[in-house]
Amino acid sequence: DIQMTQSPSTLSASVGDRVTITCRASQSISSWLAWYQQKPGKAPKLLIYKASSLKSGVPSRFSGSGSGTEFTLTISSLQPDDFATYYCQQYNSYSRTFGQGTKVEIK
Amino acid sequence: EVQLVESGGGLVKPGGSLRVSCAASGFTFSNGWMSWVRQAPGKGLEWVGRIKSKTDGGTTDYAAPVKGRFTISRDDSKNTLYLQMKSLKTEDTAVYSCTTDSFPYAFDIWGQGTMVTVSS
Repeated sequence: DIQMTQSPSTLSASVGDRVTITCRASQSISSWLAWYQQKPGKAPKLLIYKASSLKSGVPSRFSGSGSGTEFTLTISSLQPDDFATYYCQQYNSYSRTFGQGTKVEIK
Repeated sequence: EVQLVESGGGLVKPGGSLRVSCAASGFTFSNGWMSWVRQAPGKGLEWVGRIKSKTDGGTTDYAAPVKGRFTISRDDSKNTLYLQMKSLKTEDTAVYSCTTDSFPYAFDIWGQGTMVTVSS
């Protein structure tokens, strides 16, 4: 099975900061990588699909990049609504795998 | 409105069984692949399994921790997805959510989830 490793596990940042989260796959997944945002008690929300495609309605401060085994999610200017946990997920193989999550906290 | 609504969660003893459901509306359910995802209290997201559309064979795949114990099925006439869980363990305690599973959109639509607690 494909393993997904996210870093960091926790990130402390301030409003207006540029934030980058990294996700590494244990083998190549081409561009079949998605990013989700989850707030406490809520369902995850799709932000990015196919590594770099922004879902309609998601603010343009979110962007994704990468292919193969290395991927990044960038928030260009952190907003108060962005404090949440972020997960990457591969959907290349017959199975799907999530990263362990990155909690973005207020500094 | 596109919507997924789970139901059927509850308290079950270790070794017991439970079936949870996911009612879909607002989109063509029969055309879509569907997945179940769970989240144990305070933990991250874990993929449970997936069922393809009948036109794509209707086959299922499961994560290793649930393979052989959980079964995913669908009733396209009722726009409903099911997760039958058997031989439940305390570590299966989690919120179980259904989600659409498609290329290239991954897990686009999510339900709010239903809580399953396995405890004696």
